[in-house]
Amino acid sequence: EIVLTQSPATLSVSPGERVSLSCRASQSVSSNLAWYQQKPGQAPRLLIYDASTRATGIPARFSGSGSGTEFTLTISSLQSEDFAVYYCQQYNNWPPLTFGGGAKVEIK
Amino acid sequence: EVQLVQSGAEVKQPGEAVTMSCKASGYTFTNYWIGWVRQMPGKGLEWMGIINPGDSDTRYSPTFQGRVSISADKSSTTAYLQWNTLWAPDTAMFYCVRHRHGSGSFDYWGQGTLVTVSS
Repeated sequence: EIVLTQSPATLSVSPGERVSLSCRASQSVSSNLAWYQQKPGQAPRLLIYDASTRATGIPARFSGSGSGTEFTLTISSLQSEDFAVYYCQQYNNWPPLTFGGGAKVEIK
Repeated sequence: EVQLVQSGAEVKQPGEAVTMSCKASGYTFTNYWIGWVRQMPGKGLEWMGIINPGDSDTRYSPTFQGRVSISADKSSTTAYLQWNTLWAPDTAMFYCVRHRHGSGSFDYWGQGTLVTVSS
């Protein structure tokens, strides 16, 4: 089973700041990695798939990069609606599909 | 518009079983895999398993193998998750998800079904 480690677990930032979230895989997942955003009381939603492709309707301030074992989700200028928990997920070697533990972006 | 609408919250006693549903609409049901994801209170996401509604082929996470059963009814475009024996630590939110075509990522999520296990 591929283990995904996200860091930091919690990030305190101010609106307008640039945010970078890391996801590290225990073995190569090629570019088969997705990012999801979950706000309190809501289901997650897909932000990025195939490591760097934005899902339909996702603002351009969200971008994904990386391949192999190291991945990054970047939010170029944090908006108030972006405070949430972010999860990475691999789909290179499955079953099982696996998620990272999540990274919470909170208001500073 | 693609929609996954899940059945309502359940309260169960320890030892009971639960079956929840996920009604799909807005696309060809048999063309996309449906999966299930668990989220325990205050915790992260766990993939449980998947079904191909076209041929009912299923795959399960080792964590959930033998404890849950996933099925699908093409005539009603509905997927189901059955949990055979519930205990108090099993209290969780369960989401159904649609896989992106031929992919392991999920492009649509249901609103979730909360299952509370309490005596």
